[in-house]
Amino acid sequence: GDSVTQMEGPVTLSEEAFLTINCTYTATGYPSLFWYVQYPGEGLQLLLKATKADDKGSNKGFEATYRKETTSFHLEKGSVQVSDSAVYFCALSGDSGGGADGLTFGKGTHLIIQP
Amino acid sequence: DAGVIQSPRHEVTEMGQEVTLRCKLISGHNSLFWYRQTMMRGLELLIYFNNNVPIDDSGMPEDRFSAKMPNASFSTLKIQPSEPRDSAVYFCASSFGGLSNQPQHFGDGTRLSIL
Repeated sequence: GDSVTQMEGPVTLSEEAFLTINCTYTATGYPSLFWYVQYPGEGLQLLLKATKADDKGSNKGFEATYRKETTSFHLEKGSVQVSDSAVYFCALSGDSGGGADGLTFGKGTHLIIQP
Repeated sequence: DAGVIQSPRHEVTEMGQEVTLRCKLISGHNSLFWYRQTMMRGLELLIYFNNNVPIDDSGMPEDRFSAKMPNASFSTLKIQPSEPRDSAVYFCASSFGGLSNQPQHFGDGTRLSIL
């Protein structure tokens, strides 16, 4: 079945540091890929998405590129802020033939940004 | 616009009791997903609906769990009888268009504790 693997952390960085959170996936067909962010006590919020190979999703300074050759969707940000502290989830939605499909999530990466 | 609304936010009850979790979809959305989040297993898809029809319930743990969509904008997840191992945060999410590349919008979750 489909699966997503991501570094679990916690990842601790200083403010303005460069961020990379690795994500690789296993899936049949052509899944859509997502990054979600979860703040304490809240639900998941969509951060960015990419729906086909070589697409780049971007939002709030975060970027991720859909790499089919390496089955990866790594999250990057050039300069992190304290407010970026949260748990980040990589997820995929299977290519089930056109219908909506449930998400398969990675375990989540807890990011801590220190002033 | 109102997001996905879940109730209650917190539920504490004794084992053996019936528990009902509620979810109101975003207006116009036609796909509904229930997830469970635990420290040990992360985020797991329980069941999802397209246009009020259950599509995949293979993630529902046991017959003690049931989910319904009595109308296009509302869903319930029921556990009867509840057990301590059901303690988790339960999220519902909705999406538009019935396509796997559409992002899912999450509620804030119900934190369930079974004593």
